[in-house]
Amino acid sequence: DTQMTQSPSSLSASVGDRVTITCRANHGISNWLAWYQQKPGQAPKSLIYAAFNLQSGVPSRFSGSRYGADFTLTISSLQPEDAATYYCQQYNNYPIAFGQGTRLEIK
Amino acid sequence: EVQLLESGGGLVQPGGSLRLSCAGSGFIFSNYALTWVRQAPGKGLEWVSTIHGSGGDTYYGDSVRGRFTISRDDSQSTLFLQMNTLRAEDTAMYFCAKAVVGADALFETWGQGTLVTVSS
Repeated sequence: DTQMTQSPSSLSASVGDRVTITCRANHGISNWLAWYQQKPGQAPKSLIYAAFNLQSGVPSRFSGSRYGADFTLTISSLQPEDAATYYCQQYNNYPIAFGQGTRLEIK
Repeated sequence: EVQLLESGGGLVQPGGSLRLSCAGSGFIFSNYALTWVRQAPGKGLEWVSTIHGSGGDTYYGDSVRGRFTISRDDSQSTLFLQMNTLRAEDTAMYFCAKAVVGADALFETWGQGTLVTVSS
């Protein structure tokens, strides 16, 4: 089974900071990786698909990249509304796997 | 507007059964794979089960295989999850999610969830 290891589990940053969250798969998943944002009491929201592609309507400060086995979600200039938990997810094969989540707090 | 609306959650005793429903609207229901994802209180997202379009292939997570059954009624634009032999660890918010064409487990749209509590 493909497992996703996400880091860090939590972080705190200031408005305007550049923030990076990393996800690593223990097996090859090509670029079949998505990122989701979840705010308290809400359903997850799709941000990025196929590792690099921004979903329609998502602000351009969000971006996805890949460095070898590591996939990253970057927020280039953190905004107050970005406070949320972020999850990666591989959809290359079953069983589908999510990362453990990264809770992002605004200082 | 594409929408998913879950229902059927509630309080059930260990060993009991529950059937969740997810009504879809705003899209051609039969064309899309649909999935149940759950989230235990204060925990992360866990994939539960996926059914491909037009009642096709089904897939289950290890923790629910043999106890849960996913199905769909395309004529009613409704997805189901029959949950049997429920355990305390099945307590969670259950979300249904709609995939995109060509990627059966890329979740484009989510419902708001229905809460299942397994407790005596």
